[in-house]
Amino acid sequence: GEDVEQSLFLSVREGDSSVINCTYTDSSSTYLYWYKQEPGAGLQLLTYIFSNMDMKQDQRLTVLLNKKDKHLSLRIADTQTGDSAIYFCAESIDTGGFKTIFGAGTRLFVKA
Amino acid sequence: NAGVTQTPKFQVLKTGQSMTLQCAQDMNHEYMSWYRQDPGMGLRLIHYSVGAGITDQGEVPNGYNVSRSTTEDFPLRLLSAAPSQTSVYFCASREQGARGYTFGSGTRLTVV
Repeated sequence: GEDVEQSLFLSVREGDSSVINCTYTDSSSTYLYWYKQEPGAGLQLLTYIFSNMDMKQDQRLTVLLNKKDKHLSLRIADTQTGDSAIYFCAESIDTGGFKTIFGAGTRLFVKA
Repeated sequence: NAGVTQTPKFQVLKTGQSMTLQCAQDMNHEYMSWYRQDPGMGLRLIHYSVGAGITDQGEVPNGYNVSRSTTEDFPLRLLSAAPSQTSVYFCASREQGARGYTFGSGTRLTVV
């Protein structure tokens, strides 16, 4: 069945780069996403990548996709304390993009 | 502000009680979904809808009902609450395509 896995915790120092990794199992994924959840809030879409791309950059965020290994990563450059949150990797497994499978989330701690 | 509105934010139920979690969006999105979030398990899809009058089951539908009489509203009904339904519930909506979901701020439900 479909599955999305990510490590549960990551701790970095302010100013360093953060890299959050994710693996998925469904080779028919159409889109892959990164969402951010701050305490007491819903998930907020950070960025997404189409499955036929291998890289996408958006300001401090870089998404890398290795489709052969089914590996997705999110790099946050110059990490700030405001980046502390839970980051969810997700994949859409249908062409309409509405059936989305989420990972368990990676909690990012940023130390000042 | 445009977005997804969920009510209530918090609720405590006794085992066996029923209730409805409300969800409304004002973005004219066709697709709406209900997820539950449990520690270490990410988000799991309960039910989803691709338009008014059309609903379908997700990964964990047992114990929940939905209906979609209008584009804007997608209520989730708990028929007979059980402690296993203690969770945070998120409603989300999207339009077809790659932009991902817009999430509500969640309802934290405790069943005692």
